[in-house]
Amino acid sequence: QQQVKQSPQSLIVQKGGIPIINCAYENTAFDYFPWYQQFPGKGPALLIAIRPDVSEKKEGRFTISFNKSAKQFSLHIMDSQPGDSATYFCAASTNAGGTSYGKLTFGQGTILTVHP
Amino acid sequence: EAGVTQFPSHSVIEKGQTVTLRCDPISGHDNLYWYRRVMGKEIKFLLHFVKESKQDESGMPNNRFLAERTGGTYSTLKVQPAELEDSGVYFCASSQDLGRISSEQYFGPGTRLTVT
Repeated sequence: QQQVKQSPQSLIVQKGGIPIINCAYENTAFDYFPWYQQFPGKGPALLIAIRPDVSEKKEGRFTISFNKSAKQFSLHIMDSQPGDSATYFCAASTNAGGTSYGKLTFGQGTILTVHP
Repeated sequence: EAGVTQFPSHSVIEKGQTVTLRCDPISGHDNLYWYRRVMGKEIKFLLHFVKESKQDESGMPNNRFLAERTGGTYSTLKVQPAELEDSGVYFCASSQDLGRISSEQYFGPGTRLTVT
């Protein structure tokens, strides 16, 4: 059972375009939604994260939009560059209940290619 | 500041053999997580240490997997005996302990395990 569904699996845009990656979740107890960027041979690195008390967060060219009622969140990359070509993962975690906290539930990943 | 390091970067073993993966977290990070990504699928949680204690091992696939964290510093993940389905990339991540609040997890580069 996949609790976080990510789409699309791959995405190709031209330099300057605005790729959008979408994620949907099922567990309403999730309260932390990070996006990770991974380059080949490296581990995932935190790009930007949001908590459900806000609907949007922007850091540089990266923006997260969050829709709590729809249980969806998305990543927008403004003015995309070839250096943004990487695999992007959405994730979610909850601190509610039980002994677990901080563990991340990931989407399947999106391979983004930005052509010059 | 040194990041999360993992050893080895690659390991190729035969079915039935034993392999031990090592993770050195960022100094001072009490939380240590292990994750695994099987080819083409999402990154999945395996377990969570707080210092030397196992906080959550709900993601461990079966009793062929044994994780330890000596003195709350580095951690090892042993697979014995290895099966074909254990192939994948094993990631380690660490984070500061802020109580029961999700904080940024820093990932290592991963160990690519291939079982033949």
